[in-house]
Amino acid sequence: SQQGEEDPQALSIQEGENATMNCSYKTSINNLQWYRQNSGRGLVHLILIRSNEREKHSGRLRVTLDTSKKSSSLLITASRAADTASYFCATVGTGANNLFFGTGTRLTVIP
Amino acid sequence: ETGVTQTPRHLVMGMTNKKSLKCEQHLGHNAMYWYKQSAKKPLELMFVYSLEERVENNSVPSRFSPECPNSSHLFLHLHTLQPEDSALYLCASSQDRHRGRYGNQPQHFGDGTRLSIL
Repeated sequence: SQQGEEDPQALSIQEGENATMNCSYKTSINNLQWYRQNSGRGLVHLILIRSNEREKHSGRLRVTLDTSKKSSSLLITASRAADTASYFCATVGTGANNLFFGTGTRLTVIP
Repeated sequence: ETGVTQTPRHLVMGMTNKKSLKCEQHLGHNAMYWYKQSAKKPLELMFVYSLEERVENNSVPSRFSPECPNSSHLFLHLHTLQPEDSALYLCASSQDRHRGRYGNQPQHFGDGTRLSIL
């Protein structure tokens, strides 16, 4: 299976703390993408990291990619209640086109 | 802030009905997608259109029929659905730099149509 698998399935933290979510995958990838989904809404793209990149930042988000371990992590620093959502990683295999999504991590940030 | 609009937001239909889901993107993108999201399952890609040509059909039952009349509009025609087809149906779009190479850019999603089959 090409799809990523997120870990943990659910995470609950206090506002102001950092949240770390992990994604593991099984095949070689072209890129890996992280998305957020608020309840009842569509997915929102957060960051795309290519296979030749190791780290990317966007505001309070930091994504790392370790292709030797076939894993990625998403770090949200100084979390806010508005960060409460499900977070998905999606991989695109080498030479392929389709995004394969995992089942997501449900993050709850308690005010 | 989404540039992808889906209608209706909710749809309840019987198994013998025929209905259509509509998606419109205002981003000038050249690729559009239909996904199915069921509880506790990964997002499933159903159809992909790149430059108005269907380039992917992931073994989707024929009771789902897509239509892409132009690069801004995408439809999913439904008929004789089953209870297991109840799910959130998401439309997405992306701007792809090379025909058929649609996996290399971020995808922009609509808020979905929540479909319930009675």
